[in-house]
Formats: sequence, C-alpha cells, structure tokens
Amino acid sequence: LAKTTQPISMDSYEGQEVNITCSHNNIATNDYITWYQQFPSQGPRFIIQGYKTKVTNEVASLFIPADRKSSTLSLPRVSLSDTAVYYCLVVLLNQAGTALIFGKGTTLSVSS
Amino acid sequence: DSGVTQTPKHLITATGQRVTLRCSPRSGDLSVYWYQQSLDQGLQFLIQYYNGEERAKGNILERFSAQQFPDLHSELNLSSLELGDSALYFCASSEGASGVDYEQYFGPGTRLTVT
Repeated sequence: LAKTTQPISMDSYEGQEVNITCSHNNIATNDYITWYQQFPSQGPRFIIQGYKTKVTNEVASLFIPADRKSSTLSLPRVSLSDTAVYYCLVVLLNQAGTALIFGKGTTLSVSS
Repeated sequence: DSGVTQTPKHLITATGQRVTLRCSPRSGDLSVYWYQQSLDQGLQFLIQYYNGEERAKGNILERFSAQQFPDLHSELNLSSLELGDSALYFCASSEGASGVDYEQYFGPGTRLTVT
C-alpha cells in the first residue's frame, strides 16, 4: 500500500532556502510527483510536478532521485507569504484503478 | 480565483440526513475530482469523473455518490450522515485529456458540519 511521509512542521526565516522532503514507496512507475500549497480557508494550489531528476519553475525546484522513493521541494529565499501547508501528491494504482494520495502536509512557518 | 466554484460554502445538518454538494469546473476542463479534508485524515481523494464517466476511485464510502452532468458540473451526494463526515469537501478540475492530471485547480470548498 502506497504511503507518503512528510515532516509535520518546519520553521524558517525570511530569505532562507527551505527544503521539504516527502518519502513515498510503491508509487506508480510512470506517474509524476506533484506538490501543492494550501493557505488557511483555501483550496490547495499546484506548485510543481516532476518525474525524475530536477525540475524548476518560477517559484520552486523539485528534486527526485533515481529510485523515486522520495522527492524534495525547494523554496528559494522564502518570504512571510510562503507560510502555508505543503503537500506532496503521488499516484497509486490499486484494485479500484487509480487513486491520488496526498501526504499529511508540512506546515511551514516563516518568520521575519 | 481558480475558476472552480462550489456551493454552498457552508452546510450544517443533522445525523442521518442527506446533502448534495455542487461543483462547476473551470471553463474547458473535462475532469472533476472530489476530496475530503479533515483534521485527522488530511486530504483524501474520493472520486474522479471525466466527461461524465467515472475515471478513478479513492476512499469514497458507499453512503457517498457522485455524478458529472452533460454540462460538466458535478454533484457529490452524502447520505445517512454521521458526525465523522464533518469536513471540508473540495472539488478540483483539470483538462483531463490524459487520465489523471496532476495540475488540478481547486475550488474554495464546502464546509460540512454534521450535528
């Protein structure tokens, strides 16, 4: 059974780089790993997705090792507005078909 | 604003009752997903519809059902409600052309309280 594990919380200061790691086993071979951000009282918002190695967009980078058993979301130079909950999302192929598995989320608190 | 709308925003009902949550996807999106978010279980995937057909199924209880209509809006029906069904219910949409889309657009959610 696929399971994801993330740290419950992380603290940082403005301007620092933050790395959040998600461990995931038994993910579907051909599927992507995705990260979402959620602010209080809002729905999650897509940040980045990747299959292997490194992906970078305007807000984050995603590092995925060759075995794909984990992924690391990297937020460069965080600001107060990056305080949120971050979720990794993986896909599991189960008896019912395809299921999406969100991690429990990592609450990032950024201080000045 | 993601472009996904959900109604109602809040719903308070009693145990044993039945409710319907409604979702309108972004213009052009063919896939709709339903999620339940609670403090103890986190974000749980319930079900996905693509262009009217069920495409993927997660931890959806038998008391819950969903459908997607020809105009692509979707409804999630929750029946025989229990206290433990109190949660935030999110709808998300995506283009849906290639199965499960990882880039999904979430609505603001419906907060259901069962008393």
